[in-house]
Amino acid sequence: KQEVTQIPAALSVPEGENLVLNCSFTDSAIYNLQWFRQDPGKGLTSLLLIQSSQREQTSGRLNASLDKSSGRSTLYIAASQPGDSATYLCAVKQTSYDKVIFGPGTSLSVIP
Amino acid sequence: GAGVSQSPSNKVTEKGKDVELRCDPISGHTALYWYRQSLGQGLEFLIYFQGNSAPDKSGLPSDRFSAERTGGSVSTLTIQRTQQEDSAVYLCASSLRVTATATNEKLFFGSGTQLSVL
Repeated sequence: KQEVTQIPAALSVPEGENLVLNCSFTDSAIYNLQWFRQDPGKGLTSLLLIQSSQREQTSGRLNASLDKSSGRSTLYIAASQPGDSATYLCAVKQTSYDKVIFGPGTSLSVIP
Repeated sequence: GAGVSQSPSNKVTEKGKDVELRCDPISGHTALYWYRQSLGQGLEFLIYFQGNSAPDKSGLPSDRFSAERTGGSVSTLTIQRTQQEDSAVYLCASSLRVTATATNEKLFFGSGTQLSVL
């Protein structure tokens, strides 16, 4: 059974810092891994999708890496801003059951 | 439509009543997911529809929960005899299934239905 975990559960940083969020998964048989952002009371917004054959994806100040063999992904946020404050979730799409399994999320607060 | 639409946005009901939650996916998206998110918790998978294939119902927590998808588009999640522990945000997502390997298909979410069972 696929299990997805995220560390840390919560993070508070001053504005301008670079930071790393971690995601781990137990079953490496995945099609892809996605990072999402969720603002309070809102749905989820997809930030980056890394295909199983890829090592990383970049979008603006965000960079996500994938090491499928070790079951790990990281989301790197450069020069953090207060507007980055949200919950960040990772999710893997499995090959065996074709469903998307989410981690519990990391709650990020960027202090002005 | 431009995005995934869910209705109602909020639903308050009494314990024991039945409720129906609706999801209208992005036009052309063949994959549709339902998730549940309890307060302060992660997303719990409920059910997955892909085209005309039999749905994956492995995440439904009890036989009080059911879902259908008519015409490969709109989906309805029904909860019978609601209980207080059913209170949560119910999220729907859709994606476009392009290839059999499904490696590059982003998931798009609706804003969710906040269900409160009194």
